[in-house]
Amino acid sequence: GDSVTQMEGPVTLSEEAFLTINCTYTATGYPSLFWYVQYPGEGLQLLLKATKADDKGSNKGFEATYRKETTSFHLEKGSVQVSDSAVYFCALLNTGGFKTIFGAGTRLFVKA
Amino acid sequence: NAGVTQTPKFRILKIGQSMTLQCTQDMNHNYMYWYRQDPGMGLKLIYYSVGAGITDKGEVPNGYNVSRSTTEDFPLRLELAAPSQTSVYFCASTSVPQSGNTIYFGEGSWLTVV
Repeated sequence: GDSVTQMEGPVTLSEEAFLTINCTYTATGYPSLFWYVQYPGEGLQLLLKATKADDKGSNKGFEATYRKETTSFHLEKGSVQVSDSAVYFCALLNTGGFKTIFGAGTRLFVKA
Repeated sequence: NAGVTQTPKFRILKIGQSMTLQCTQDMNHNYMYWYRQDPGMGLKLIYYSVGAGITDKGEVPNGYNVSRSTTEDFPLRLELAAPSQTSVYFCASTSVPQSGNTIYFGEGSWLTVV
């Protein structure tokens, strides 16, 4: 079945460091891919998405490119801030489906 | 615009007790979901609904029940609470998931069973 695998955390970075959180997926067809973010004590909220191969989703300085050849959707940010400390979830929704599959989440800590 | 509203936010239950987590959304979404999130783990789907009167099991439905009598409301019932049901519960909704639409989440309900 469909699945999402993302790098284990926690990831600890200093402010202004470069961030990469790896995400790979297994799916038949052509899924839509998402990154959701969960700040402490809150629910998940959409960070960015891409609905077809080679699309780049971007928001708040974060980017991820839908790579079908490597079945990946890695999250990147050039310069992280303390306020980016959160748990990041990679997710997929397969074509015609209505149940989103979530990865296990990666916790990010950013130190001042 | 309230979005997805869950209540209660925190609850402590004794083993064997029952309770209902309430969820309501004001976006006229047909699709609604209940997830649980265990510490350090991802989200697991408990139940979902594709419209009023229609519900179906997700990955981890045992020990739970749902109903969907209206488009807005999707309550989750825990019968005979067990320590294994200690978790954070999230309700979510979306309009047309097949189009890659955003899922909107509630703020979560922290449940402890002792």
